[in-house]
Amino acid sequence: DAMVIQNPRYQVTQFGKPVTLSCSQTLNHNVMYWYQQKSSQAPKLLFHYYDKDFNNEADTPDNFQSRRPNTSFCFLDIRSPGLGDAAMYLCATSTSPGANVLTFGAGSRLTVL
Amino acid sequence: GEDVEQSLFLSVREGDSSVINCTYTDSSSTYLYWYKQEPGAGLQLLTYIFSNMDMKQDQRLTVLLNKKDKHLSLRIADTQTGDSAIYFCAESPNSGGYQKVTFGTGTKLQVIP
Repeated sequence: DAMVIQNPRYQVTQFGKPVTLSCSQTLNHNVMYWYQQKSSQAPKLLFHYYDKDFNNEADTPDNFQSRRPNTSFCFLDIRSPGLGDAAMYLCATSTSPGANVLTFGAGSRLTVL
Repeated sequence: GEDVEQSLFLSVREGDSSVINCTYTDSSSTYLYWYKQEPGAGLQLLTYIFSNMDMKQDQRLTVLLNKKDKHLSLRIADTQTGDSAIYFCAESPNSGGYQKVTFGTGTKLQVIP
């Protein structure tokens, strides 16, 4: 089945220790997104790739970076995680044009000790 | 900026109808979506409606759109325990190419057997 796979599902790190979360897709969608979701809050868009073009949201901290080496893979790098970065990180994909229907992965839950 | 608001919690008895409400502020919203998130999982698209429609029905789901009041609702008929989840309302403009999707905070639906 075509899908969006995120790894790891659960990540525990120490304060300030870099973390990389990965996302892969078999849908061949040209747009990939990273959302941050905290409890009882709306998923917050961090950035997205439209093909190879990287688009950062204005309020995304510099601590968050992303890489998309090819169509299928996208990575979220958190350079120096703080306690406030503990959250669920959701990867999603979509294809344009028309309704922007997002296909989400199951998420990676990050715990910062 | 865009804002999407939902009540946080709804409790219904199994077999009853559930109505989840959402309001949005962006008058240029063209597509409005309902996503479902089960515990520990990513968001899954349930349905979406184009802004020139007032209603869309899909099996047990009915979406009503009042564009004048910027109000969207999701009605689930004959609610089952498997419908227990968080339901997110979302909107996006039709700007061509990439369209940013803005999510609400989600409504947690609890179905009582």
